[in-house]
Amino acid sequence: DIQMTQSPSTLSASVGDRVTITCRASQSISSWLAWYQQKPGKAPILLIYKASSLYSGVPSRFSGSGSGTEFTLIISSLQPDDFATYYCQQYSSYSRTFGQGTKVDI
Amino acid sequence: EVQLLESGGGLVQPGGSLRLSCAASESTFSSYWMHWVRQTPGKGLMWVSRISSDGSGTTYADSVKGRFTISRDNAKNTLYLQMSSLRAEDTAVYYCARGGGGYYYAFESWGQGTLVTVSS
Repeated sequence: DIQMTQSPSTLSASVGDRVTITCRASQSISSWLAWYQQKPGKAPILLIYKASSLYSGVPSRFSGSGSGTEFTLIISSLQPDDFATYYCQQYSSYSRTFGQGTKVDI
Repeated sequence: EVQLLESGGGLVQPGGSLRLSCAASESTFSSYWMHWVRQTPGKGLMWVSRISSDGSGTTYADSVKGRFTISRDNAKNTLYLQMSSLRAEDTAVYYCARGGGGYYYAFESWGQGTLVTVSS
């Protein structure tokens, strides 16, 4: 299976900060990478697909980049609603593996 | 937007069985791949299984292969996960998620989850 590794595991930030989260794949996944946001007690929601495409309704302060094995999620100006856990996921193989998550807190 | 509603979770003894269901609100259900994802309380997401739109293709995570079976009834707009030989480590919230119409799609819609607890 393809392993996905996120860093950092936890990130402390303030409103207005630029936040960067990294995701690395154990082998090339081309651009078949998604990013999800999850809040406590809620299901994840899709933010970014195909590494850099913004899903419908997602604020433009979220952006994604990368290809191959290295990917980045950037929140350009952190808002109060953005404090959550973020997961990357590859969908290059039938087994859709997730990263371990990055918790963004105050 | 499609709504997904899981049911069937609960408390089950180790070695027992349980069947989860995921009802979709739209008839377009039959056009999409579907997935099960689980999350151990306080931990990360783990993909469990997927099924193609017509049910002809399935894949499982190694940790559930041979114990879990994914299936669907497109006439009822419903996805299933039959779980058997359950272990304590299968305790988790189980989410169903909608993929796309083929292979290269992320999970656009998720259910609210159903909790499975495996304990004696």
